[in-house]
Amino acid sequence: QKEVEQNSGPLSVPEGAIASLNCTYSDRGSQSFFWYRQYSGKSPELIMFIYSNGDKEDGRFTAQLNKASQYVSLLIRDSQPSDSATYLCAVIFYNQGGKLIFGQGTELSVKP
Amino acid sequence: KAGVTQTPRYLIKTRGQQVTLSCSPISGHRSVSWYQQTPGQGLQFLFEYFSETQRNKGNFPGRFSGRQFSNSRSEMNVSTLELGDSALYLCASSLSAGTQQETQYFGPGTRLLVL
Repeated sequence: QKEVEQNSGPLSVPEGAIASLNCTYSDRGSQSFFWYRQYSGKSPELIMFIYSNGDKEDGRFTAQLNKASQYVSLLIRDSQPSDSATYLCAVIFYNQGGKLIFGQGTELSVKP
Repeated sequence: KAGVTQTPRYLIKTRGQQVTLSCSPISGHRSVSWYQQTPGQGLQFLFEYFSETQRNKGNFPGRFSGRQFSNSRSEMNVSTLELGDSALYLCASSLSAGTQQETQYFGPGTRLLVL
């Protein structure tokens, strides 16, 4: 099992729709979870972090965390073509000394 | 506040050479992490430095090394370059390593091509 798993995609949604990105992780002791967005040829930029079970909203973005299921997701409402990018889920693995481990990323394409 | 800066931005080397990459963290950030990103392997953790000490290390050969200076600036070195070292090398900084101070912010990266 990979430490942090994401569907590689591509995930294609029409403009204005909700995009749902999913991530599972293997370390049950993990407490800190991050979503980054990476445009082609650019470096990752932080979208959100979440530490507690439940939902955390920031503008059009909502992160959802379920530690019991070892699952974290990112919802993008009213998707825009400018949201087309690769979305990286990252988890701090405290059982590995606090390393930040990234998933392979999900490529999102928002069609006008 | 200025972001994370990395130099150089682009580099072309030949097999067998060595290379040194530099990273200046966000002012006040004391932790610096390095990552290698390739299309096939994704983002892979190289090492993390905090207060001039290596706090964590990924699964890379000893050809990859790093250090951190008292002003939190960091360098990474790759010796005896191989073709497979061609990648985007990313540096990220965070305030510290404790909960809620560990959010990492990335620099623009150094794109290394080994011929």
